[in-house]
Amino acid sequence: NAGVTQTPKFQVLKTGQSMTLQCAQDMNHNSMYWYRQDPGMGLRLIYYSASEGTTDKGEVPNGYNVSRLNKREFSLRLESAAPSQTSVYFCASSEAEWGGQGVGELFFGEGSRLTVL
Amino acid sequence: AQKITQTQPGMFVQEKEAVTLDCTYDTSDPSYGLFWYKQPSSGEMIFLIYQGSYDQQNATEGRYSLNFQKARKSANLVISASQLGDSAMYFCAMRGGYNKLIFGAGTRLAVHP
Repeated sequence: NAGVTQTPKFQVLKTGQSMTLQCAQDMNHNSMYWYRQDPGMGLRLIYYSASEGTTDKGEVPNGYNVSRLNKREFSLRLESAAPSQTSVYFCASSEAEWGGQGVGELFFGEGSRLTVL
Repeated sequence: AQKITQTQPGMFVQEKEAVTLDCTYDTSDPSYGLFWYKQPSSGEMIFLIYQGSYDQQNATEGRYSLNFQKARKSANLVISASQLGDSAMYFCAMRGGYNKLIFGAGTRLAVHP
């Protein structure tokens, strides 16, 4: 019963370094998401993938890229990290299909705390 | 564009009393869903309750109920008989077209003994 697994859980980067956050889900969900959480700002959607083979920008996509590698995996890449990207990152998945109307609640990973110095 | 607004940064309630956490939303989609999540200090996100835009009745899950007023575009969470373990951040979220979910800024609830 792994659910949504994110790696790494903690990471410290220097400005300008790159890194990839990995996310995998074992629930056969179609949709996957990346959010960042900052104090006082809730969770903001970075990118999402409504189904395998598609990705779309969310509210704050600048400075990030994503890859939906297959149905299970959705990675988030920071090409050149900046201090403004210091945050807690959450990956999530849901069962609702493209345009589906099921409940489709999000299942979240445990979060990845990233600090950019 | 979709928008979720939670106007209460912090709330407190006495144990065993009821509390209402406010959420208003804006969307042009005729079909949407509204969610509430709880985030305790440990950091995990816990799904509490869901309301669909076409649902005729307000959703209830145990001590949680959702006061859905479609014309006012509000989806307030009501927690009855508060417990100390209810102390947490609470987030309202909305799903619109293309299964995109956005969240509000959250409300921090403190339950006092």
